[in-house]
Amino acid sequence: DSGVTQTPKHLITATGQRVTLRCSPRSGDLSVYWYQQSLDQGLQFLIQYYNGEERAKGNILERFSAQQFPDLHSELNLSSLELGDSALYFCASSVAGRVSGANVLTFGAGSRLTVL
Amino acid sequence: QQQVKQSPQSLIVQKGGISIINCAYENTAFDYFPWYQQFPGKGPALLIAIRPDVSEKKEGRFTISFNKSAKQFSLHIMDSQPGDSATYFCAALLSWGSNYKLTFGKGTLLTVNP
Repeated sequence: DSGVTQTPKHLITATGQRVTLRCSPRSGDLSVYWYQQSLDQGLQFLIQYYNGEERAKGNILERFSAQQFPDLHSELNLSSLELGDSALYFCASSVAGRVSGANVLTFGAGSRLTVL
Repeated sequence: QQQVKQSPQSLIVQKGGISIINCAYENTAFDYFPWYQQFPGKGPALLIAIRPDVSEKKEGRFTISFNKSAKQFSLHIMDSQPGDSATYFCAALLSWGSNYKLTFGKGTLLTVNP
């Protein structure tokens, strides 16, 4: 157990729908990162929050949004879902606000989203 | 633009053999190169990492070899075991000021046969 908790583990939904993925970071970690993993694109960074504020943005679609709450848990909202959004979504956490050799990422087990 | 190219996509090795996974990068400003190991149903976990001023780093059976002039780095798993069967990702970190970008390779599925 990495200490990063993601729910749900699996989610099946239809095109056009909206889903919310939840992440609780490891105790003491202030940063939360969201990644999308697909077979053809590998691990793609979506967005990072540090202590409630957006810290860095990657290849996140406008249909997707995220936030980090005062208790440091984070939610990733995916709307107007398309077939191509089917993927594994990982949350990672770290202590500090910038990835470095001293500030490594700890990943959760992921949420598998299937859009039918 | 894929800045970190990883090969092979998949690799099958016999127990006791050496597994070698290669990565090539383009941006010479990358300043940290971690490798992640991912077991089925789990998230990636940091395995070993190296900085570009070091040519080799060894941790147990895992070794990173780094060739700065060729802009390549590789993971060697000595005495490979069935328990090493997993997907391995190389990555490269670019840092500037308070900003950063961590780019992953597309992964290598390693299967170690008993």
